[in-house]
Amino acid sequence: QKEVEQNSGPLSVPEGAIASLNCTYSDRGSQSFFWYRQYSGKSPELIMFIYSNGDKEDGRFTAQLNKASQYVSLLIRDSQPSDSATYLCAVNRGSTLGRLYFGRGTQLTVWP
Amino acid sequence: NAGVTQTPKFQVLKTGQSMTLQCAQDMNHNSMYWYRQDPGMGLRLIYYSASEGTTDKGEVPNGYNVSRLNKREFSLRLESAAPSQTSVYFCASSPTLYEQYFGPGTRLTVT
Repeated sequence: QKEVEQNSGPLSVPEGAIASLNCTYSDRGSQSFFWYRQYSGKSPELIMFIYSNGDKEDGRFTAQLNKASQYVSLLIRDSQPSDSATYLCAVNRGSTLGRLYFGRGTQLTVWP
Repeated sequence: NAGVTQTPKFQVLKTGQSMTLQCAQDMNHNSMYWYRQDPGMGLRLIYYSASEGTTDKGEVPNGYNVSRLNKREFSLRLESAAPSQTSVYFCASSPTLYEQYFGPGTRLTVT
């Protein structure tokens, strides 16, 4: 089983809708969780991180963490065409500080 | 404040040639990382340096060497390039061993 799995997508939503991106991880000792956005041909850009169970909101973005289910998600409210990108989930395992394990990404398209 | 910079942006090598990819950060971060990104494979860690003076292997270190020259600079060397090393290479840095910030990438083609 891969360390970090993401729904493969691609995901397509209309402008103004909520986009939901999901990620599961295999190591129960994982401590911190990150969402990166990557536009085509560009480098990954950190958009959110979460350490504790529950929700964390930042503008239109909400990260949700459920450590019991080993599940982390990213909700994008009021999706805009400019949100069209690949979203990467990354996990830091407690046993290997400094290393992030990345999922393969979910491609999101927001159509006008 | 340029963040993380990488040179060159593009490079074409012939099989067997060597080259060094350069990375520098001006954010006073302790940790630095080298990744490669291939279609369908996601980001894979090649080497990382948790602090100046230390380096460790990541997931795919074979065929690469690294040097943490000082706190700012972390270079990646390909001694004898192979077509399997055609990829996009990203350098990243981190202030805390947690969140990482990426450079713009180097697109390398080995023919």
